[in-house]
Amino acid sequence: EPEVTQTPSHQVTQMGQEVILRCVPISNHLYFYWYRQILGQKVEFLVSFYNNEISEKSEIFDDQFSVERPDGSNFTLKIRSTKLEDSAMYFCASSEWGGTLNSPLHFGNGTRLTVT
Amino acid sequence: DQQVKQNSPSLSVQEGRISILNCDYTNSMFDYFLWYKKYPAEGPTFLISISSIKDKNEDGRFTVFLNKSAKHLSLHIVPSQPGDSAVYFCAALGSGAGSYQLTFGKGTKLSVIP
Repeated sequence: EPEVTQTPSHQVTQMGQEVILRCVPISNHLYFYWYRQILGQKVEFLVSFYNNEISEKSEIFDDQFSVERPDGSNFTLKIRSTKLEDSAMYFCASSEWGGTLNSPLHFGNGTRLTVT
Repeated sequence: DQQVKQNSPSLSVQEGRISILNCDYTNSMFDYFLWYKKYPAEGPTFLISISSIKDKNEDGRFTVFLNKSAKHLSLHIVPSQPGDSAVYFCAALGSGAGSYQLTFGKGTKLSVIP
């Protein structure tokens, strides 16, 4: 079964550094998402992306965050200047259509970001 | 602001018995509800869903019940198997037209004891 792949599985960075988290969504999917889960807390929506633009974003997704689909397969999340509180598991997801019941989100295994 | 609440952080059930996982929500604009299962070191995996126009949806051993008036849903797993041991997340979809934003609960860790 096709799956969403994320790299790296673990990223350690120093506060203030830029990081790019990478994702390869399922090939025929049109909608892409980033979620994150801070340790011990719930999975939180960050952003959704369709047709090469952001369709929704949460209040977490401030100016430090950006997303890009640089080519036909990758979907990236960039954090410009990381803070300690950005440490979390970041999940990429994709769906064939816009997340309806007939098109559930498929999640990758996540990238654990540790900011020191 | 917890719009989706799973009040039981953990649940232990004997193999072969029924597991019932509960979820409450506060936002009456939610139209769709989903259950995801998560194993350690993996991402959430879609399990089963229900539309707000239904009160029950069944898929094999998994049944989701929705009580709209009580803003409550539950996931029943019967019979429970050791491989069902995982964290189960309740999620609600959107609160407006064109919204694809899933709102998750904090999860319930299910342990099925052989």
